[in-house]
Amino acid sequence: DTEVTQTPKHLVMGMTNKKSLKCEQHMGHRAMYWYKQKAKKPPELMFVYSYEKLSINESVPSRFSPECPNSSLLNLHLHALQPEDSALYLCASSQHPGQGIDTQYFGPGTRLTVL
Amino acid sequence: EDQVTQSPEALRLQEGESSSLNCSYTVSGLRGLFWYRQDPGKGPEFLFTLYSAGEEKEKERLKATLTKKESFLHITAPKPEDSATYLCAVQAAPLVFGKGTRLSVIA
Repeated sequence: DTEVTQTPKHLVMGMTNKKSLKCEQHMGHRAMYWYKQKAKKPPELMFVYSYEKLSINESVPSRFSPECPNSSLLNLHLHALQPEDSALYLCASSQHPGQGIDTQYFGPGTRLTVL
Repeated sequence: EDQVTQSPEALRLQEGESSSLNCSYTVSGLRGLFWYRQDPGKGPEFLFTLYSAGEEKEKERLKATLTKKESFLHITAPKPEDSATYLCAVQAAPLVFGKGTRLSVIA
């Protein structure tokens, strides 16, 4: 089973709201990722957690705050977002970060709209 | 700099009309090349991992091949349900995606 789950599927929020996106995998993978994807563009990497430690932050604004409570869960906390942050947010996981071939498996995404 | 270029950007096929999508790459030390299928508003669905030049993998109507400079995704006798964006990515640090090929298969 190569399933990554994400909740919620859709989220509409105002610029002053605080919300969180959640991601879960039960494949024993040791790396988890957040991507942002705009329409007709490829996914853009935001954050990587490797063995539950933040290993990559692609210069993402501080209004996005990732959290990895344990090896199966990944959260993305959102605060004071801008309308241009509206996008599809994707979570992914992989088994062996930094070791040989490491296939990433993606969740279904959360469609975020910021009003 | 690691780079992935996919062509064509968009492709329209008649049902049953076989074709190929191209992914050319420049990367220092290829560890893996991946193909994904993405439907509108959904997350990318993993299709294939390729590592060695000459390697081929198949799944239903799709076959992926790899050379030292490029990969092809061959679609044999496509059906309308094969319509999607196909993304190619190479394993660098981090994963480097191409811009995708939007495939439409018309019945």
